[in-house]
Amino acid sequence: DAGVTQSPTHLIKTRGQQVTLRCSPKSGHDTVSWYQQALGQGPQFIFQYYEEEERQRGNFPDRFSGHQFPNYSSELNVNALLLGDSALYLCASSYRGRDYGYTFGSGTRLTVV
Amino acid sequence: AQTVTQSQPEMSVQEAETVTLSCTYDTSENNYYLFWYKQPPSRQMILVIRQEAYKQQNATENRFSVNFQKAAKSFSLKISDSQLGDTAMYFCAFTQMNRDDKIIFGKGTRLHILP
Repeated sequence: DAGVTQSPTHLIKTRGQQVTLRCSPKSGHDTVSWYQQALGQGPQFIFQYYEEEERQRGNFPDRFSGHQFPNYSSELNVNALLLGDSALYLCASSYRGRDYGYTFGSGTRLTVV
Repeated sequence: AQTVTQSQPEMSVQEAETVTLSCTYDTSENNYYLFWYKQPPSRQMILVIRQEAYKQQNATENRFSVNFQKAAKSFSLKISDSQLGDTAMYFCAFTQMNRDDKIIFGKGTRLHILP
């Protein structure tokens, strides 16, 4: 039973660049949520995708955007990277409307230099 | 706005002892879920235990149990017979029911189980 898969595991980018992170949800799940976890902090909600549309958004600037594909996988894009974007980015999948069985991936560690 | 507060940044206990992690939350909602998640060095967020707000009975999962006080908006986690593998960050979290809503996390408690 495949869990949530995120790629890449680690990434180093230069300030001002753009980055794309990827997430494959758990088998049977159709909803993907993205979280940013700064060092020493709890995860903060970025946005959620269902049926290829952004359904909810947290308090993040438009530099953060996403996409969901027909196979339910998702991408998180961050433009014009800032040093403060350095964090662990977690993806969580679930089956919408059922049981709040969120499954998290192991995250992508993004370092902006 | 909903908030989750964990007042213990770090705790250490001896192996086999019992430890309690504290959590308070604030919400105007009546129907919600509360969670405790464990995040080991592998970084994956692992669900430890879940409590539905409409249930008066405290949830238990083997060595893990909660003390849910809805009126006080308190949700503590008790780990009995602690093991070295319990060493991790623990996050208290909240989500509204019936909306597939975002999860709101506390800042976490780093727990060290000492041999």
